Amino acid sequence: DAKTTQPPSMDCAEGRAANLPCNHSTISGNEYVYWYRQIHSQGPQYIIHGLKNNETNEMASLIITEDRKSSTLILPHATLRDTAVYYCIVRPNNNAGNMLTFGGGTRLMVKP
Amino acid sequence: NAGVMQNPRHLVRRRGQEARLRCSPMKGHSHVYWYRQLPEEGLKFMVYLQKENIIDESGMPKERFSAEFPKEGPSILRIQQVVRGDSAAYFCASSPAGTSYEQYFGPGTRLTVT
Repeated sequence: DAKTTQPPSMDCAEGRAANLPCNHSTISGNEYVYWYRQIHSQGPQYIIHGLKNNETNEMASLIITEDRKSSTLILPHATLRDTAVYYCIVRPNNNAGNMLTFGGGTRLMVKP
Repeated sequence: NAGVMQNPRHLVRRRGQEARLRCSPMKGHSHVYWYRQLPEEGLKFMVYLQKENIIDESGMPKERFSAEFPKEGPSILRIQQVVRGDSAAYFCASSPAGTSYEQYFGPGTRLTVT
């Protein structure tokens, strides 16, 4: 079962920042937070992951709270092509954590 | 570097036939994962393989489904005697190692059972 809670849907205006929240209150010390997205009918796409420090790459930023019980994925300047379902996943950093457990995700709609 | 490749992209089978889905991982990746996505649902893990070994098949249905990843060639997900409930998108992912590395997904095979 998924160990994360996300809002089912969100809207964002094109060009504005999209902030997608995720609650993972039962996260363990060795679990990472991963974000993937799935654009309609395509395979999931890796976005970013982190353990406890904030992370940034060319796609997004990941902000993890100090207690690690929640995080926020930030798309700084959303475009129409960012419309997708975004999945927040917690995953152990050991051999037992090889699978990804997808929950319902957040359906982000970027509007012109 | 080519991404994960899956073929066929679309597959139509009649009930009772066999379906074979192929996955070629990214170059340098030796770990393969199969996931299934039923219509209007999230992805569910099926099986995790390394070359010539099944590591975790906890998500595989006990009957009719099998998977392999031979020393040479692509990984194969085989579904025998397909039923309409097998209609879904089947995604393959690969990673260079089985621990903390991210998984890279292919475009999927959409199986339709008529």
